Amino acid sequence: EPEVTQTPSHQVTQMGQEVILRCVPISNHLYFYWYRQILGQKVEFLVSFYNNEISEKSEIFDDQFSVERPDGSNFTLKIRSTKLEDSAMYFCASSGQRYNEQFFGPGTRLTVL
Amino acid sequence: GESVGLHLPTLSVQEGDNSIINCAYSNSASDYFIWYKQESGKGPQFIIDIRSNMDKRQGQRVTVLLNKTVKHLSLQIAATQPGDSAVYFCAEWGQNFVFGPGTRLSVLP
Repeated sequence: EPEVTQTPSHQVTQMGQEVILRCVPISNHLYFYWYRQILGQKVEFLVSFYNNEISEKSEIFDDQFSVERPDGSNFTLKIRSTKLEDSAMYFCASSGQRYNEQFFGPGTRLTVL
Repeated sequence: GESVGLHLPTLSVQEGDNSIINCAYSNSASDYFIWYKQESGKGPQFIIDIRSNMDKRQGQRVTVLLNKTVKHLSLQIAATQPGDSAVYFCAEWGQNFVFGPGTRLSVLP
């Protein structure tokens, strides 16, 4: 069964450093998403991406964040200058149709020290 | 490890009984709703969705009911099994996705 994969599973970084979280969506999916979940909190939408551009983004997705699909398989989330409050699980998801039946990856736990 | 922050409501049901998990959503303009299951240490897993032009949709052992008048969504799980133990949360799509805090379902043997 196809699945979304994410690397690394856990990333530890110093405050102010840049991090890149990587995702490989399901191969025939066209819509891609990033979410985050702070420990013990609810899931929060960050951004959706289609046809090589951002479709929607939330207020959380400020200028510190960017997304990219550098090749035909990877989908990345970059945080330019991490803050302590960026510590969270970051989930990537993909779907074949817009917002329909999204498949989530296992997540990357980001810890900012 | 223990979660901090949000204290989730918990629903405990006997194995084999039916479960009903409720969700109040906030945006009357939302037109798409999803129920997710999240097991400990894993990403959310899609269960079932419904569009605002429907009030009921059934899947395998699950039914979602939508009441737009009171902005209420429910998930019914028939014949609850131990593997159903997880956190369940709803999400609504208006201008973007907004997720509910979730309900922890605990299935008792």
